[in-house]
Amino acid sequence: GENVEQHPSTLSVQEGDSAVIKCTYSDSASNYFPWYKQELGKGPQLIIDIRSNVGEKKDQRIAVTLNKTAKHFSLHITETQPEDSAVYFCAPPCASKIIFGSGTRLSIRP
Amino acid sequence: EAGVTQFPSHSVIEKGQTVTLRCDPISGHDNLYWYRRVMGKEIKFLLHFVKESKQDESGMPNNRFLAERTGGTYSTLKVQPAELEDSGVYFCASSQGQRGGTEQFFGPGTRLTVL
Repeated sequence: GENVEQHPSTLSVQEGDSAVIKCTYSDSASNYFPWYKQELGKGPQLIIDIRSNVGEKKDQRIAVTLNKTAKHFSLHITETQPEDSAVYFCAPPCASKIIFGSGTRLSIRP
Repeated sequence: EAGVTQFPSHSVIEKGQTVTLRCDPISGHDNLYWYRRVMGKEIKFLLHFVKESKQDESGMPNNRFLAERTGGTYSTLKVQPAELEDSGVYFCASSQGQRGGTEQFFGPGTRLTVL
């Protein structure tokens, strides 16, 4: 089965700076790599995903990069804003179920 | 369009009691999933329904947990009898497709506290 490791567990950045969260996975057959954001009192919500035939995908201030050789993918948030404060999970699927990373609590300092 | 809804939002029960959690998926979604996050741990998969059938229940921790989805619409997850280690947040999700790469939409979760 898929083993997922996510780093760091907590991250505090100054508003306007960038944040990077990394995730490693074990299953070389994985071909879909999503990131979920969980805000207080809500369930996880997909914010960006990438498929294995692409090395990078960007959507406004967020981007995901994939290194299939090294088996890791990263979430990049630029120009961070207070509303970016949340817990972020990498969540590669294994068959139809999601394997969640341990989560990164991102705090944005004013 | 309404999202995935879960009821109750919070439940506090004593050890040995029974609790039933309910999930209403997005209309038209055949696939329904249950996950949970116990204190300090990752969000873990419990089981997956396709319509009313259990597709994968490999994540169910033990036989104190019973999930049903009669009629292929809403689902219930019953814990009987509840133990202290069952405390956590239980999430439900639904999706149209089931293969890897299909977005799952999550409900807000039910926070279960067993005293």
